[in-house]
Amino acid sequence: GENVEQHPSTLSVQEGDSAVIKCTYSDSASNYFPWYKQELGKGPQLIIDIRSNVGEKKDQRIAVTLNKTAKHFSLHITETQPEDSAVYFCAARANYGGATNKLIFGTGTLLAVQP
Amino acid sequence: TAGITQAPTSQILAAGRSMTLRCTQDMRHNAMYWYRQDLGLGLRLIHYSNTAGTTGKGEVPDGYSVSRANTDDFPLTLASAVPSQTSVYFCASTPGTTVGEQFFGPGTRLTVL
Repeated sequence: GENVEQHPSTLSVQEGDSAVIKCTYSDSASNYFPWYKQELGKGPQLIIDIRSNVGEKKDQRIAVTLNKTAKHFSLHITETQPEDSAVYFCAARANYGGATNKLIFGTGTLLAVQP
Repeated sequence: TAGITQAPTSQILAAGRSMTLRCTQDMRHNAMYWYRQDLGLGLRLIHYSNTAGTTGKGEVPDGYSVSRANTDDFPLTLASAVPSQTSVYFCASTPGTTVGEQFFGPGTRLTVL
């Protein structure tokens, strides 16, 4: 089955710097890769996603890149702000067969933006 | 619109006791999911339901059961709780079974002693 690895587990940056979180996946049939942000005491919330027919997607200060050949994808946050501090999870759609929307999540990255 | 609500917010449970975690959504989403979140392990799928009346097993289904009698509710039951089921449980939903955003509830923190 699908396996998703995420690095680093913790990341500390200065306000204004960039942050990069990387994930690898094992199932070459996976075709959907979302990123979720989880603030303390809340449920995860989607911040950006990318499908396998696209190499890069950008939304203001966040961007995601996908390398299907290497089976890895990355989240890039530019001009980081203290409110970006949270836990970030990558995920890949699992190939269970049939029309299901099941995700396998990475283990999370705790991002701390120092003011 | 409330989205997804979960109850209780937190619970301490004695080992061997049963418990049902409640999840209700008001978005008329067809698909619903239960995850557990453990430090260092991320979110792992317990059970899912593609539509009312159907359920399926996820990555870690043992010790848990679910039902989906209607579109809005997706309760998760622990028949005989064990300490390893101490975790934070999240319910989520999607409009359908094609790829797209999963909407998460606020979570239930469960401690089994």
